Amino acid sequence: KAGVTQTPRYLIKTRGQQVTLSCSPISGHRSVSWYQQTPGQGLQFLFEYFSETQRNKGNFPGRFSGRQFSNSRSEMNVSTLELGDSALYLCASSLDRVDNEQFFGPGTRLTVL
Amino acid sequence: DQQVKQNSPSLSVQEGRISILNCDYTNSMFDYFLWYKKYPAEGPTFLISISSIKDKNEDGRFTVFLNKSAKHLSLHIVPSQPGDSAVYFCAARNQAGTALIFGKGTTLSVSS
Repeated sequence: KAGVTQTPRYLIKTRGQQVTLSCSPISGHRSVSWYQQTPGQGLQFLFEYFSETQRNKGNFPGRFSGRQFSNSRSEMNVSTLELGDSALYLCASSLDRVDNEQFFGPGTRLTVL
Repeated sequence: DQQVKQNSPSLSVQEGRISILNCDYTNSMFDYFLWYKKYPAEGPTFLISISSIKDKNEDGRFTVFLNKSAKHLSLHIVPSQPGDSAVYFCAARNQAGTALIFGKGTTLSVSS
């Protein structure tokens, strides 16, 4: 069974631009969560989607948004990029709840110049 | 305010000895705790978990202990191996099961 895939793996943007990251969950998984990892803050929860609905959202500004499609694939968008948005963005999928069966993708490394 | 805290950024242990990684939490409503391991350039992988109704869970070389009154959990790795060198994250699940709250991680280095 294929794992969680994220595209692109690496991305370089400049301040003020916007970016869209993509995540394909494991086949059959309906819950997709997004996390931001930075050296100083560890993994921080961004949002979680289940059946195309956002069920939970972390403490991030409105510049961070996401969506989930009917095939469970998910995208997250960051608008008006800031230098501090440079991070590893991780996507994780699970069948339903975000329990121990949550599988992570390799992440997208975003660098904002 | 950080709800899950890993106060030791790093830990160095010799091969064959015990590694003890600690984690504290502040929210008494958390009812499920997990440990993840992360190698560079890879996503975290699930290691072991424990429900709040238990105080110990064991899986091979890995044991997690939970002290609810102290809001503290620890991961014991015995014996430690060089391949265990990685960043270890403690996480707590919210009751709705819709979010994992992670600590900042502890980098474990096991020397041979």
